[in-house]
Amino acid sequence: QVRLQESGPRLVKPSETLSLTCTVSGDSMKTYYWNWIRQSPGKGLEWVAYLYHNGISDYNPSLRGRAAMSLDSSKGQFSLTLSSVTAADTAVYYCATLLPASAFDVWGQGALVTVSS
Amino acid sequence: IVLTQSPGILSLSPGERATLSCRASQSLNNNYLAWYQQRPGQAPRLLISGATNRATGIPDRFWGTGSGTDFTLIISRLEPEDFAVYYCQQYSHTPRTFGQGTKVEIK
Repeated sequence: QVRLQESGPRLVKPSETLSLTCTVSGDSMKTYYWNWIRQSPGKGLEWVAYLYHNGISDYNPSLRGRAAMSLDSSKGQFSLTLSSVTAADTAVYYCATLLPASAFDVWGQGALVTVSS
Repeated sequence: IVLTQSPGILSLSPGERATLSCRASQSLNNNYLAWYQQRPGQAPRLLISGATNRATGIPDRFWGTGSGTDFTLIISRLEPEDFAVYYCQQYSHTPRTFGQGTKVEIK
């Protein structure tokens, strides 16, 4: 059973870049599409992006090009950066797995990231 | 695609039947609709995918029905651990989107 764990700074200043890493255990990095999903009180659950090991990726247009994902198979990790953050980016960020034409199957426990000066 | 869930809050007693609705603004291909349960302080947990297929380990008191634009999650007899927030999510169109949630609370 794959397991996911988010890590990274929990406080980010406005206009700076948010960076999170998800560490994967229990399965190959080639099995799933790797996702980030966030949850804020104001906007509910919002899918952010996914990345597959062969480089295929997709991003939510609502982020207006501020998001980028990367994958380090040797470390069993994938990452998210979100640039030019504002208070609206304050949320719990979850990493999650996805198989083609399927739902988000396994989720990390989540990381609350607060954007504040 | 916008998913609209109703009701916002459902107040029921243990042992009662819960019926949750999710309506999509466009028809979903292949009934690509999932349901998740979220308990306080926890990540969402996948219950149902493909509108009707229970995920591994999900009790058979959870039922998913529907097609096209109208979908329903039924919990046949509420157990104490079922009082939580439930979200629907579509994966027919990109970007994948979630409903705003239905809270099932103890009456």
